[in-house]
Amino acid sequence: DTEVTQTPKHLVMGMTNKKSLKCEQHMGHRAMYWYKQKAKKPPELMFVYSYEKLSINESVPSRFSPECPNSSLLNLHLHALQPEDSALYLCASSQVSSATGELFFGEGSRLTVL
Amino acid sequence: QKEVEQNSGPLSVPEGAIASLNCTYSDRVSQSFFWYRQYSGKSPELIMSIYSNGDKEDGRFTAQLNKASQYVSLLIRDSQPSDSATYLCAVNNNAGNMLTFGGGTRLMVKP
Repeated sequence: DTEVTQTPKHLVMGMTNKKSLKCEQHMGHRAMYWYKQKAKKPPELMFVYSYEKLSINESVPSRFSPECPNSSLLNLHLHALQPEDSALYLCASSQVSSATGELFFGEGSRLTVL
Repeated sequence: QKEVEQNSGPLSVPEGAIASLNCTYSDRVSQSFFWYRQYSGKSPELIMSIYSNGDKEDGRFTAQLNKASQYVSLLIRDSQPSDSATYLCAVNNNAGNMLTFGGGTRLMVKP
């Protein structure tokens, strides 16, 4: 069982909708991540939070808005998305360390934009 | 351009054989190296990490690192059909939680 929980598992939304993806971890990790993954492609980093502060934003369009309410929770707010934003959105967490690459991924939220 | 490269495959091996997965990286300052396994429709799962030159063994898996050649590999002994998945190589250059993934190699183990 994964210790990073993502909801919802599947989401279908129109281009004018506003929705949110949620992620929760209880491993005491202080770094949390959002990745986007298209079919047959590797995960693509979107955002990194370190100690609840946004530390990396990989030039993601403003229609994606991350939020880290506390050390266990990470949200991704979605607004006015495009069909090409349809993908698997993965949340991950890790220890905060300059050497870390040991990420624990959630099962992902599969997003379809109509 | 910092890159991590893998052969996309598919790499097909018979059950019981050794599967050899390879990865090269371009950033010489990279310090940490990881192999993730991703089953179709599932999320990536960390299976091996390696930080220093040489071999690291964990069960049927052996990671090999050669920093001089900028090369990291994963060997899977006694391959099983359940090992069929995409294997992602990932490299961390220690610049603030930045992990770069390779494109992945799809492994097929045939019974």
